[in-house]
Amino acid sequence: RKEVEQDPGPFNVPEGATVAFNCTYSNSASQSFFWYRQDCRKEPKLLMSVYSSGNEDGRFTAQLNRASQYISLLIRDSKLSDSATYLCGVTLTGNQFYFGTGTSLTVIP
Amino acid sequence: DGGITQSPKYLFRKEGQNVTLSCEQNLNHDAMYWYRQDPGQGLRLIYYSQIVNDFQKGDIAEGYSVSREKKESFPLTVTSAQKNPTAFYLCASSTSPGEQFFGPGTRLTVL
Repeated sequence: RKEVEQDPGPFNVPEGATVAFNCTYSNSASQSFFWYRQDCRKEPKLLMSVYSSGNEDGRFTAQLNRASQYISLLIRDSKLSDSATYLCGVTLTGNQFYFGTGTSLTVIP
Repeated sequence: DGGITQSPKYLFRKEGQNVTLSCEQNLNHDAMYWYRQDPGQGLRLIYYSQIVNDFQKGDIAEGYSVSREKKESFPLTVTSAQKNPTAFYLCASSTSPGEQFFGPGTRLTVL
């Protein structure tokens, strides 16, 4: 079983739509959680960390559900510039870090 | 400015050659990582190092080697034993257990 699993998509949504991605993790001892954005042929860049209480950054909201072992990313009012692949990242103890395979998002005019 | 640099950006290798990819960071991070990414695929861990002079194999270490003689540097050698090395190689560093920061990557193509 993979440590981290994501729906690869693709998600094709119209501008202005709300879209949500989930990422499940298998190890209940996982400590820290992150969402990354990766543009085509570029490196992943940190979008936001995910805190237990949930956190919001503009149009982006991240949530953690420890009981069901998943994290989510909600994007409101989608922009064309949001088109990218979104990767979740999970740390266990020490420096063990696992990434999901990524979810592809295309925002359509 | 603090960050991670990788060089070269593009690298072409003939079959049977070893090549070394450079990764340098000035973020004072203890941990460094090497990943491979194939088109349309996720990140696969090759090697990681939590401290100078120590490193561990990741999921796909065969055909690769690393060294960690300095905190700032974590070079990756792709040996001739790696049968399908054409890919996008990403280096990252992190504090423990914090988020990872990535370099811009090296695209390796075998001719």
